[in-house]
Amino acid sequence: DAGVIQSPRHEVTEMGQEVTLRCKPISGHDYLFWYRQTMMRGLELLIYFNNNVPIDDSGMPEDRFSAKMPNASFSTLKIQPSEPRDSAVYFCASSDREGGETQYFGPGTRLLVL
Amino acid sequence: EDQVTQSPEALRLQEGESSSLNCSYTVSGLRGLFWYRQDPGKGPEFLFTLYSAGEEKEKERLKATLTKKESFLHITAPKPEDSATYLCAVNTGFQKLVFGTGTRLLVSP
Repeated sequence: DAGVIQSPRHEVTEMGQEVTLRCKPISGHDYLFWYRQTMMRGLELLIYFNNNVPIDDSGMPEDRFSAKMPNASFSTLKIQPSEPRDSAVYFCASSDREGGETQYFGPGTRLLVL
Repeated sequence: EDQVTQSPEALRLQEGESSSLNCSYTVSGLRGLFWYRQDPGKGPEFLFTLYSAGEEKEKERLKATLTKKESFLHITAPKPEDSATYLCAVNTGFQKLVFGTGTRLLVSP
């Protein structure tokens, strides 16, 4: 399996622009997670899905952030409008209950908002 | 509130100099403790899962142990390629992981 796939790997945008991050989980995994990593706060869970349904979005910082999972092989995290404080590395991870809840991470999207 | 604290923040070792990284946690109900390795510019890579006090797991030069309040990642005779950030996380239920801020390990030849 190719592992978790994320795109783009790098994104530079200007404040106020819409940003869309994409993720393809490992085939057969029924959980998908979005994390944000910064030097100050480390890795923080933003939202996670089970069988394409959002289960817990308590980590989403504010209404500017939204996430969708239209099918088992694709998810998006959208920021609209973006702000400089959103600059971070965003990771997607997936897991399945059969695998003992181990989460496997993608390579991340490095976002810089100017 | 569930908390994970890792120490030290950074550790510099000479090649072959064994040491341990610490992960202490306070959670309402532990459903697994995870160790990950993260290289610069990459996503965390899974190493171990521990579920109960007294459990140990080994992989090459790494050994992870678990008590009721903390976990240790022992590195025996490290090599430069072991240089990375090591992250600890606890599963508090419902698939949610709470991560520590990591230990940056640098092994010099």
